[in-house]
Amino acid sequence: NAGVTQTPKFRVLKTGQSMTLLCAQDMNHEYMYWYRQDPGMGLRLIHYSVGEGTTAKGEVPDGYNVSRLKKQNFLLGLESAAPSQTSVYFCASSSSDTQYFGPGTRLTVL
Amino acid sequence: DQQVKQNSPSLSVQEGRISILNCDYTNSMFDYFLWYKKYPAEGPTFLISISSIKDKNEDGRFTVFLNKSAKHLSLHIVPSQPGDSAVYFCAASAGRSQGNLIFGKGTKLSVKP
Repeated sequence: NAGVTQTPKFRVLKTGQSMTLLCAQDMNHEYMYWYRQDPGMGLRLIHYSVGEGTTAKGEVPDGYNVSRLKKQNFLLGLESAAPSQTSVYFCASSSSDTQYFGPGTRLTVL
Repeated sequence: DQQVKQNSPSLSVQEGRISILNCDYTNSMFDYFLWYKKYPAEGPTFLISISSIKDKNEDGRFTVFLNKSAKHLSLHIVPSQPGDSAVYFCAASAGRSQGNLIFGKGTKLSVKP
């Protein structure tokens, strides 16, 4: 039982490049979330999903897209990376109110 | 406008003493509150929670107190241990079934031997 896993752990991009972050959970949770954490800003919700095939915008959705084609996976895409997207990205899943987090992906956009 | 506020960015406590971390909220619709603990280079881990129908919840060395009239909650750690040194996030939700949490900015706790 791995819980929530994230791929990759680290990535460096150049401005304008695209990439996809993968989140996988093996707890059969309905809800999945993508957050970003910046220094002094806490955790801010980017997008979330309440079930397979559904997605919704969070607090800071601009510049990101998501997909939930399978219940266990939640993908976060950056179509054209910007330096302002340099951050640590956390995925989480839940069955109700307690969210379980992955280890994070540290992304640097040059 | 921050709905969940942790006004102390950092706290330093001696080993064996009590650590008290505070959190204030503004949204009266919040009915469930959680504390998460985060070590460097790791994801946040769930620590303890409390429903708005209670004013106290205890789990070992960790106790969370909720004062609904003041829209304030606090996390008490007794006794504090060096391994408790981490960033602690307060989070709140309105309606348990939705699962959407609003996080505070965190308080970095340092427990000195």
